[in-house]
Amino acid sequence: DTGVSQNPRHKITKRGQNVTFRCDPISEHNRLYWYRQTLGQGPEFLTYFQNEAQLEKSRLLSDRFSAERPKGSFSTLEIQRTEQGDSAMYLCASSLTGGPQPQHFGDGTRLSIL
Amino acid sequence: QQQVKQSPQSLIVQKGGISIINCAYENTAFDYFPWYQQFPGKGPALLIAIRPDVSEKKEGRFTISFNKSAKQFSLHIMDSQPGDSATYVCAASKGNNRLAFGKGNQVVVIP
Repeated sequence: DTGVSQNPRHKITKRGQNVTFRCDPISEHNRLYWYRQTLGQGPEFLTYFQNEAQLEKSRLLSDRFSAERPKGSFSTLEIQRTEQGDSAMYLCASSLTGGPQPQHFGDGTRLSIL
Repeated sequence: QQQVKQSPQSLIVQKGGISIINCAYENTAFDYFPWYQQFPGKGPALLIAIRPDVSEKKEGRFTISFNKSAKQFSLHIMDSQPGDSATYVCAASKGNNRLAFGKGNQVVVIP
């Protein structure tokens, strides 16, 4: 299967801890997106990359959140000093560039803050 | 501010019936409108998408209808099956940029 892969699938941590998630996009896709989804809501945009360049971050994104895509392939999303409100599904998507392109999603990382 | 709004919130349809879900958007610069299907614990899976230069697109049992003047688009699921029971989420974007999603509609198909 050459779809978008996310790890871990589930993460349980105590409030105040740091967590890091990984996303491996579809290999030929040079755009990579991070979204967050809470129960009963649609996904909410966080940030996106074209190759290794981070092109946009949501204004709602706290400075506790940081994302990288160092070699233009996989990406990591780190949350520092986690809070209860960070509990959500973190979704990664990838696409080709050039005109509207379908974004293909992984199955997400479910984060639970104790 | 919710840029894309969906209705109804949930829908119960009998097997073989037609499921219709509606979305309305605010931003007239949007030019790409996909529908995603999502099962519990899974990521959204792209079902079908449309651009505003056409009013309708059909793929198998799924059809998107698009009304540019009303800033609305809808998903029709023909001959609904129990396996179609899922959450359907509409979205919109300007070019190849971030998607703005609706809240999602839960569709339940009863045998």
